[in-house]
Amino acid sequence: EIVMTQSPATLSVSPGERATLSCRASQSVSSNLAWYQQKPGQAPRLLIYGASTRATGIPARFSGSGSGTEFTLTISSLQSEDFAVYYCQHYNNWPLTFGGGTKVEIK
Amino acid sequence: QITLKESGPTLVKPTQTLTLTCTFSGFSLSTSGVGVGWIRQPPGKALEWLALIYWDDDKYYSPSLKSRLTITKDTSKNQVVLTMTNMDPVDTATYYCAHLKVSNWFDPWGQGTLVTVSS
Repeated sequence: EIVMTQSPATLSVSPGERATLSCRASQSVSSNLAWYQQKPGQAPRLLIYGASTRATGIPARFSGSGSGTEFTLTISSLQSEDFAVYYCQHYNNWPLTFGGGTKVEIK
Repeated sequence: QITLKESGPTLVKPTQTLTLTCTFSGFSLSTSGVGVGWIRQPPGKALEWLALIYWDDDKYYSPSLKSRLTITKDTSKNQVVLTMTNMDPVDTATYYCAHLKVSNWFDPWGQGTLVTVSS
């Protein structure tokens, strides 16, 4: 089973600043990685798939990069609606696994 | 527009079997490449993938829960059913179903249903 490790667990950022979230896989997942955003009381929402492709309707301030074992989600200028928990998920093989999440909070 | 909604009991007793239904619209589970997965999230914790079924009835399960899980589909009713046997308080979680197509990322998700396991 591939273990997905996200860091940091919590990221304190001021509105308008850049946020950089990391996701590391215990073995290569190629580019088979997705990012999700989850707000309190809501279901997760797909942001990024294929490590760097934005899902439909996702603002350009969200970008993903990386391949193999190291991935990054960048939010270029945080808006108030971006404060949430972010999860990565690999889909390279079975079983599918998620990271532990990064909470982006207001500084 | 694709929508999914989970339904089932909100409270189950330890050792009981949980049956959850995902009712969806906006797609067909007879279309090549389409699938529906189940994911759960204990309160305050991370997401955990449970099971997945494809249009061709191919099925995959989390290895740690495989002995307790069964996933089935009813294409005519646009439903996917997940059963989990021998429920325990640690299985208390919000259970989500989600759509996937071609590759195994989930989009969109249902609203989720909270299942509490308690005597």
